[in-house]
Amino acid sequence: AQTVTQSQPEMSVQEAETVTLSCTYDTSESNYYLFWYKQPPSRQMILVIRQEAYKQQNATENRFSVNFQKAAKSFSLKISDSQLGDTAMYFCAFMESQGAQKLVFGQGTRLTINP
Amino acid sequence: NAGVMQNPRHLVRRRGQEARLRCSPMKGHSHVYWYRQLPEEGLKFMVYLQKENIIDESGMPKERFSAEFPKEGPSILRIQQVVRGDSAAYFCASSPPTRRETQYFGPGTRLLVL
Repeated sequence: AQTVTQSQPEMSVQEAETVTLSCTYDTSESNYYLFWYKQPPSRQMILVIRQEAYKQQNATENRFSVNFQKAAKSFSLKISDSQLGDTAMYFCAFMESQGAQKLVFGQGTRLTINP
Repeated sequence: NAGVMQNPRHLVRRRGQEARLRCSPMKGHSHVYWYRQLPEEGLKFMVYLQKENIIDESGMPKERFSAEFPKEGPSILRIQQVVRGDSAAYFCASSPPTRRETQYFGPGTRLLVL
């Protein structure tokens, strides 16, 4: 079974700084998807960024980018020029490319951006 | 295009009662997923449904929990004889048939069992 591990329960940075959230996963599959979801205090789940395993190029979405290391099974999220609105729980998630395609989530990292 | 809708947003039940959680997927989406989030934890997969079919229920507790997605109407997650340990946030997600890897989440239903 696939597992996703986020080793940083909490992180805190100053506004405008850059922060990197770590995620590792375990799978025997060669094709899969990886995601970062944001859960603000409203608790709505918001997709931040996604990566397809067969693509070597790291995904980027404005201030958000990932460092995908397939051999190391690592998928970190970098947030540049952090803003107060980035304060949230961040969940890393894995999905097989075939089958039921259910999401497997990590435990989450609570990120606080301080003014 | 309205997003995934869930109701009620908050539900309070006493031990032994039944809880019914509803999920209306986005227009054109025929795949529905239910996830449960216990306090201070990540989301855990429960069940995957298509219209009138349960495709994968590997994450569903063996007793008291059931789910359906009828031909007409919303998907329903039903919890019978609720216990305090069922208190959690229950999220529904839907995906289009041609891009099942992209799941859109509803706002969740917070269930509190007294």
